[in-house]
Amino acid sequence: EPEVTQTPSHQVTQMGQEVILRCVPISNHLYFYWYRQILGQKVEFLVSFYNNEISEKSEIFDDQFSVERPDGSNFTLKIRSTKLEDSAMYFCASTRAGYPEQYFGPGTRLTVT
Amino acid sequence: SQQGEEDPQALSIQEGENATMNCSYKTSINNLQWYRQNSGRGLVHLILIRSNEREKHSGRLRVTLDTSKKSSSLLITASRAADTASYFCATDAAGTGNQFYFGTGTSLTVIP
Repeated sequence: EPEVTQTPSHQVTQMGQEVILRCVPISNHLYFYWYRQILGQKVEFLVSFYNNEISEKSEIFDDQFSVERPDGSNFTLKIRSTKLEDSAMYFCASTRAGYPEQYFGPGTRLTVT
Repeated sequence: SQQGEEDPQALSIQEGENATMNCSYKTSINNLQWYRQNSGRGLVHLILIRSNEREKHSGRLRVTLDTSKKSSSLLITASRAADTASYFCATDAAGTGNQFYFGTGTSLTVIP
């Protein structure tokens, strides 16, 4: 069964550094999302992406964040200058057109030191 | 805020028993999804129920939706130790896009 994949599984970075988290959505899916989950807290929506542009974003998704679909398979989340409070599990998700079910990847654990 | 809230926060049952978890939300929805998360792992999609549906089954899972009460329940029948995980409901908000709002989850422990 097709799955969303994410790399790396764990990323450690120093405060102020840029990180890029990578996702490969399910191949026939057209909508892509990033969510994050700070340890012990709720899963929070960051951004949705369709047709090569952001369709929605939350208050969390400020100017430090950006998303890109650099080719036909990858979907990336970039954090320009990481802060300690960016430490979280970041999940990518995707959906098929016309179907609301969101399928999540295994997540990337980001640790900012 | 649309975020759902699950109840109870934690549930511990014996293997073979049924487990029921509830979710309440605040505003009208188009869809409600249930997910499972094993400790430190990803979210596994279990079932989606649309606002015009009242009940849905998938294997040992039964989901109900009461839009008048803005609540849903997830029933796991004949539980197994492998069902031990956190369970989350996620709702969208009618009239908005397709972002989903997650609750804090129910932590289920199934004792062998």
